[in-house]
This record gives sequence, C-alpha cells and structure tokens, in this order.
Amino acid sequence: GAGVSQSPRYKVAKRGQDVALRCDPISGHVSLFWYQQALGQGPEFLTYFQNEAQLDKSGLPSDRFFAERPEGSVSTLKIQRTQQEDSAVYLCASSPRWSYSYNEQFFGPGTRLTVL
Amino acid sequence: SQQGEEDPQALSIQEGENATMNCSYKTSINNLQWYRQNSGRGLVHLILIRSNEREKHSGRLRVTLDTSKKSSSLLITASRAADTASYFCATAGQGAAGNKLTFGGGTRVLVKP
Repeated sequence: GAGVSQSPRYKVAKRGQDVALRCDPISGHVSLFWYQQALGQGPEFLTYFQNEAQLDKSGLPSDRFFAERPEGSVSTLKIQRTQQEDSAVYLCASSPRWSYSYNEQFFGPGTRLTVL
Repeated sequence: SQQGEEDPQALSIQEGENATMNCSYKTSINNLQWYRQNSGRGLVHLILIRSNEREKHSGRLRVTLDTSKKSSSLLITASRAADTASYFCATAGQGAAGNKLTFGGGTRVLVKP
C-alpha cells in the first residue's frame, strides 16, 4: 500500500524566500508529525497534529515556521524568509492512532531543503 | 536538543558478524524504538520495546532495555551488506510527552561484504 509521501523531494531556495513543503500521510492516520534532520544528526521534533488540531508546536525553531493540516489529512510546513540554518531534511511521519497509544511512526522520504 | 546518545557513532564490521549499538537517554519513557535510515531515505521502524519490557526479539534483531540505567542496546546478528545504514534510537515520553519521538544522534553501520 501507499506510504507517507512528501513533495518536493528536493528544494533549493535563495535566502529570504518562502517555501512550502507538503506531506501526504497514510490514509486514515490520525496523528501527523514533522521533524527536522540536520546533516549527520538525528531527527528533531517540530510539531504534531491530531486530525486537524495542532496539539504541540514546541519544536518549531522560530515564528518563521508554520504548519497546518486543515482537513486532517494533508499537511503543509511553511518556512518564511528562509535562512541558511534552515537547510536540512524535513521529515513527515504519521501514526494510525492517538499519540498516547504509543505506536510506531511511519516516515516519508523527506524533503531536502538547501538555502543558498 | 536530542534526548539520547548513541554509542558507537560509527561501526564497521564484516558480513556475518554481529553488530551491537547502545543508546542512553535522560528522562522517563513510555517506550523506546529503534529505526533504520538508509542513505538519503526516510526512517524505517525496526522494533518497539515498552518500559515494562526488558528484552525483545524480531528476526535477527534483539533489543534490551534497562530503565534503571536509562539505556538500551540493539544487536543485529549475522549481519548482511544490506544492513549498512544509520540506526537511531528514539524515546516516547510519559503522558503528553508521548506525542513525539526524541531521537539520538545515530550509529552509522557499515557491513563489508
């Protein structure tokens, strides 16, 4: 079956540009997560949705980062006025049940963002 | 910031040998998970061990958890070239903190044919 998909797979932006990264979770998955992975590091949590509700955005590094999931399915991570330090792989993951049922997460292939 | 540290950071072994990597974490957890990441790809879930479990097996994988020492280990037996990847431990916290995974820095494993 279809897994988590992300688009674009690669994005090059000039410093100061706005970017939008899309995540299509597995159909029917309630929970959706965004992570940021710097080169050579483990992923770091950015934000979490349960259906359309954004329940935790404690990992967003600045107010330039904004995420939404308006219909409880597809999610978009938007970064305004990109900076070089935003260069990373952005991973999306989904999980079939409520977060507190402590399930594994299913990850997409990621979007590699390079800010010049 | 990352919850855990993984040891070693890199590991090079011959095909057929066993690979062992360790993970330490700092706060109380509900469960600990191990993921594999091949170069340039997303993470693939390998195994989940709950805080009340001490050992779990899945195929060639064996995971142990010692909550008193806040540490876990992943053993891959009879390694294959296809096991070459980065391996990450990730913890899910208690209560509301369980809604996200906190990853370690990873162990990069190279299995030479």
